[in-house]
Parts: sequence; C-alpha cells; structure tokens
Amino acid sequence: AQTVTQSQPEMSVQEAETVTLSCTYDTSESDYYLFWYKQPPSRQMILVIRQEAYKQQNATENRFSVNFQKAAKSFSLKISDSQLGDAAMYFCAYRSAYGGSQGNLIFGKGTKLSVKP
Amino acid sequence: DGGITQSPKYLFRKEGQNVTLSCEQNLNHDAMYWYRQDPGQGLRLIYYSQIVNDFQKGDIAEGYSVSREKKESFPLTVTSAQKNPTAFYLCASSIFPGLAGQSSYNEQFFGPGTRLTVL
Repeated sequence: AQTVTQSQPEMSVQEAETVTLSCTYDTSESDYYLFWYKQPPSRQMILVIRQEAYKQQNATENRFSVNFQKAAKSFSLKISDSQLGDAAMYFCAYRSAYGGSQGNLIFGKGTKLSVKP
Repeated sequence: DGGITQSPKYLFRKEGQNVTLSCEQNLNHDAMYWYRQDPGQGLRLIYYSQIVNDFQKGDIAEGYSVSREKKESFPLTVTSAQKNPTAFYLCASSIFPGLAGQSSYNEQFFGPGTRLTVL
C-alpha cells in the first residue's frame, strides 16, 4: 500500500522569505499523481499545485513550486515571497494513475505553516 | 457558481443519536468522497462513491453509513455505533476516476466541512 509522509509537523517562515515543506511517499507504481493542498484557518481545502509522475519538469504556480525527485520519492513544496495569507496546514497527497479504489487520494498528516510579520 | 456545499457547518449530537451530514455538488462530478479529519491525523477516507447507487467503504467506515441516490448528493450518517464521532468531516468530489491507464489528474474538490461534536 502507498504511504505519504510529511516529517515536519510545524514550520515557521518570515514574511517575504522562502520556505520548503517536505513530503516523501512510498509506492511501487511508476505512474501516479502528486498534489499539495492548503487548508487555511477557514478549513476549506484548496488545491495548490499538482504534478504528474511521468513529467520531468517541476510544476510551478506563481509563488509555489515543487521539487519532484521521482527516484528519491520526494515531492517538496517551495513557497517564495511568503505572505501572511500563506499561513495554513499543508497536505501532500498521492493518487495512483490506476482507476477504481486505487485512484483514491492518500494524504500525509500535514505541516502547519506559520508566517511571521 | 459551481461548487460543493455541506450542511450544517456545526452539528451537535447526543450520545446514542444518529445524525446525517449533507453534501451536495453541482459540478456534474461522478465521484464523491467523505473524509474525517482529526488533529494530527490528516484526512482519512470514510466512504466513496464512483457512480450513482454504488458506494464503497474506505479506511474507517465502521459506525458510518452513506447513500448515493442522486449524482449530486452523498449524505453521510454517523450512527450510534461510532464510538468517537467528534471530528471535522469533509466531503469532496471528482470526475470519474476512470479505468486503469487513463491519464487525468482527477483532482478532488472539497466542501467547507462540518464540525460534529458529541455532547
């Protein structure tokens, strides 16, 4: 079974600085998708960024980018120019490329990010 | 506006009571999901449904039940058999997860959640 591990329960960053959140996963599959979700204090889950395993290029969405290392099974999230609104829980998630129940999301336990003014 | 709605936002249950959490979506998604979130636990899958009139147990289905009579609706009932129901419950939906080999993100879109507290 696949697992997702976020080894940093809490992180802190100064406003305007850069922070990297770690995520590792375990799978024997070669084709899959990876996601980062943000959950602010409102508790609404928001998709931040996504990555296909067979794409070499790291995904980027404005200030958010990932460092996808397939061989190392690592999928870290980098937030540049951190803003107060970035303060939230961040969840890393894995989804198999196969259908059926294998296509369900598997979440890590999350990293709580604080942003200091 | 397309989206997912959950009601109520807050729900209080007395011990021994069954309660039902509502989840509705107008995204025309085939698949719907229920998750439970506890502090430090991330999201755990309770039930999911890929098509109408069909649903499957997730990782922590004991003490819960669901129905999927309409594409738009996927209510979750927390029964008295659920020993520790106090938690935050999230509903999500996605396009049909599809067959093996289909290439699609199929990302899940989430509702705002329901906070259930047992009195």
